[in-house]
Order: sequence, then C-alpha cells, then structure tokens
Amino acid sequence: AQSVTQPDIHITVSEGASLELRCNYSYGATPYLFWYVQSPGQGLQLLLKYFSGDTLVQGIKGFEAEFKRSQSSFNLRKPSVHWSDAAEYFCAVGASGGSYIPTFGRGTSLIVHP
Amino acid sequence: DTGVSQNPRHKITKRGQNVTFRCDPISEHNRLYWYRQTLGQGPEFLTYFQNEAQLEKSRLLSDRFSAERPKGSFSTLEIQRTEQGDSAMYLCASSLEQGATEAFFGQGTRLTVV
Repeated sequence: AQSVTQPDIHITVSEGASLELRCNYSYGATPYLFWYVQSPGQGLQLLLKYFSGDTLVQGIKGFEAEFKRSQSSFNLRKPSVHWSDAAEYFCAVGASGGSYIPTFGRGTSLIVHP
Repeated sequence: DTGVSQNPRHKITKRGQNVTFRCDPISEHNRLYWYRQTLGQGPEFLTYFQNEAQLEKSRLLSDRFSAERPKGSFSTLEIQRTEQGDSAMYLCASSLEQGATEAFFGQGTRLTVV
C-alpha cells in the first residue's frame, strides 16, 4: 500500500526567505507525485505534479519540487516566500499501476512572518 | 466548465439526522473520488467511482455512509444517523481515467453535527 509522510506539522519562515517542505513516500514502483495547497475553508489546488521524465518539476506560484528516487522524497521548494503563501500544503502519491487512488500526507502548515 | 462543484458548502444538522451531499465533477472526467478531512489532517479516502461503477468502498467509515453515481455524472454521499464524530469537511475530486493524470478538487462541504 502507498503512503506519504510529511514530517513537519508547522513551518515558520520570514517573508522573502527560502522554503523547503519535506515529503517522503512509500510505494513499490514508480509513483505519481503531487503537491496541493489549501487555504482555510477551501478545497485543494494543485501546485505541481511528477509523472515521469525530468525529476525537477516546476509548478504554479513559483514553486518547484524534486523527485529523488534514492531517498523516496519529493520536497517542495520556493526561493522567496510571499505572505500570500501562508496555507496548508499536502503531498500526495498516486500509484502508477492498479487502482490509482491519490493518498495524502497529513499536511504542513506554513506560517509567514512579515 | 468551472471545475468540480459541491453542494451545499456548509451543513449543520442535529445528531441522528440523515444528510446528503452532492458533487458535480468536471464534465469529461469519468473518475470521481470522495474524501473526508478532519481538522489538522490530510484528506482521507472514502470511495471512488469509474463512470457509474463504485470500484472501491471498503474505506467508507461505517455502514452509515453510502455513495451513488447513478448515471456516471454527478454523485451523492449520504450519511445516515449522523454522529458528532462525523463533523468534518467532505471533499469530492474528479479525474480522467487512471494514468498520468491529476485529481481536481471541489471546495468541499463542511458538516457540523450538533
């Protein structure tokens, strides 16, 4: 069975600082990987996705993520955080075979200080 | 098409009452997922449909929960005899068939059981 671990429940950064949110997955084959963002009381918006090919993927709002198979990781990064980036961030894994049901981590809450 | 639509956005009900939520997926999407999200947690998978067929329902939380997608278009999620522990955000998502594709989420229905 696939699973996702987001080890950081909360991350606090200053506006303008760089950001890295960690995600580790468990899946026996090549996974499909996603990062979603959720603002309070809202649904989930897709930031970026990895299916195959280049392991560094670019997303919306200046975010990027790098797939590292050897570390079973898919960390999200942004070089300069804006106050509007404060939200909940979820990493998800979808099986590349079988029933393909996206499985989510518990999320990381990003707090941005001015 | 404006995306995945969920109604109502908020529902307050008394314990023991039945509630039904509706989800209208993106029109060309034949996969539809239901998730539950409690405070501070990631979305928890409940069930999914491919067209009108419910392919996985073992993760529904109890026999009080049921879902339908009668014509392969919109779906409903019903909770019978609601309990306070059912209070949560219920999220619907849709996608194309399995493969290199992502799930698109609605804004969710917030259920409060009093």
